[in-house]
Amino acid sequence: NAGVTQTPKFRILKIGQSMTLQCTQDMNHNYMYWYRQDPGMGLKLIYYSVGAGITDKGEVPNGYNVSRSTTEDFPLRLELAAPSQTSVYFCASSYGAGGQTEQYFGPGTRLTVT
Amino acid sequence: GQNIDQPTEMTATEGAIVQINCTYQTSGFNGLFWYQQHAGEAPTFLSYNVLDGLEEKGRFSSFLSRSKGYSYLLLKELQMKDSASYLCAVRDIAGTYKYIFGTGTRLKVLA
Repeated sequence: NAGVTQTPKFRILKIGQSMTLQCTQDMNHNYMYWYRQDPGMGLKLIYYSVGAGITDKGEVPNGYNVSRSTTEDFPLRLELAAPSQTSVYFCASSYGAGGQTEQYFGPGTRLTVT
Repeated sequence: GQNIDQPTEMTATEGAIVQINCTYQTSGFNGLFWYQQHAGEAPTFLSYNVLDGLEEKGRFSSFLSRSKGYSYLLLKELQMKDSASYLCAVRDIAGTYKYIFGTGTRLKVLA
């Protein structure tokens, strides 16, 4: 049981390039989330999904896109990378949305845009 | 607005007790979570409160007062491995469930 896995671990992008951050969970969780964490800041929700085929925007969705074609996978797409997108990106999943349903986090992707 | 406040940094001695406070203002409330995050690693779940009062889990306890918008995490018998950031997060209901995270409290445990 690997939990939540993310690839790549590190990436350097040039301004204007695009990339996809991969996220996979093997816990059969319905809910999945993408966060970014800037130095000294809390986690900010980018997008989330409540099940395959259903996604919605979080606090900071601009410059990102997501899709959820399967329960397991929730990739995050960056189009036209900008220096403001330099951050650590965490994918998370949870079984449900109520009660003590904590989120399980992946190891993170450290992205630098120069 | 929605806001969660935590102290930025705290320092304590091995074997001591430390209390990390969290105050929140959110449009809705459906539970408060504490996560531990070691440097360079992912957050991991520590505790959950939805009703007022104290929840105890081994060396860790968490308290909630919904009327005051206040929570604290209490760590007893501190160990060096407790040096980490502690994130307070509120699950808000604003149409659907969303989590709002504080900036985290960086705890240093000294020998």
